[in-house]
Amino acid sequence: DGGITQSPKYLFRKEGQNVTLSCEQNLNHDAMYWYRQDPGQGLRLIYYSQIVNDFQKGDIAEGYSVSREKKESFPLTVTSAQKNPTAFYLCASSILQGRGTEAFFGQGTRLTVV
Amino acid sequence: GDSVTQMEGPVTLSEEAFLTINCTYTATGYPSLFWYVQYPGEGLQLLLKATKADDKGSNKGFEATYRKETTSFHLEKGSVQVSDSAVYFCALNRNQAGTALIFGKGTTLSVSS
Repeated sequence: DGGITQSPKYLFRKEGQNVTLSCEQNLNHDAMYWYRQDPGQGLRLIYYSQIVNDFQKGDIAEGYSVSREKKESFPLTVTSAQKNPTAFYLCASSILQGRGTEAFFGQGTRLTVV
Repeated sequence: GDSVTQMEGPVTLSEEAFLTINCTYTATGYPSLFWYVQYPGEGLQLLLKATKADDKGSNKGFEATYRKETTSFHLEKGSVQVSDSAVYFCALNRNQAGTALIFGKGTTLSVSS
C-alpha cells in the first residue's frame, strides 16, 4: 500500500540532545513537508522540499534541520537549539503544487523532552 | 500574508444535531480550499476540497461551499454521529509551486450519544 511512514511514533529526548525523526513515502511524490502541531496552534510549517538535495525554511525553522538525499525520504533533526521541542510532528507529501493539490500525511511522531 | 481563521472550539453536540464549523481565509489570487480531519493520536486525512469559486466539496455527509464573495468555506453536516468526534482543520493552497498548505488552528468536535 502506498503511503507515508513516520517513525518512531513516540520519542523521548533528554535536554541538550539532538534527535532525528524519520519520514518515508512510497507515493512517488516530489514535494515533502514537516509540520509541528501544538495544542491550540494548528499546524505550523517547519521545512519543505520540492526536489532532491533542495529544501526551504518554513515559518518556524529555527532549531531544526532537514536533508533530502533521496526522493522517498525527508528526515527531520530536532537540535539542542530548539528551545521547546515537545510537540507532535507531522510529515506530509504531495505532487508539485498545482490547483487543488492535496497533501498526504503520516501518522505523526510525538516528541517529549524529559 | 495568506491565512485561515476557524471558529474556536470545542464544539459539543448531541448525536443527530446539525454541525457548522466556520472558516474564512485571506489570500491573494484564487486558492484551493480544504477540510482535513484528525482523529486522536493520528495524522490528518483529507475530508473534502474545492478548487474554485462556488464549487461544493462533499464527503461522508460533510459539505462545504467555496464562497469567494465572503472568503469563506464553512463545513456543514446535517446529522453528526459519535464517530465524527475529531479535530477539523481548514486549509488553503495558493496553487503555486514552492508553496505549502496553510492551516487554521483547528476546531475540536465532540459528539455525545
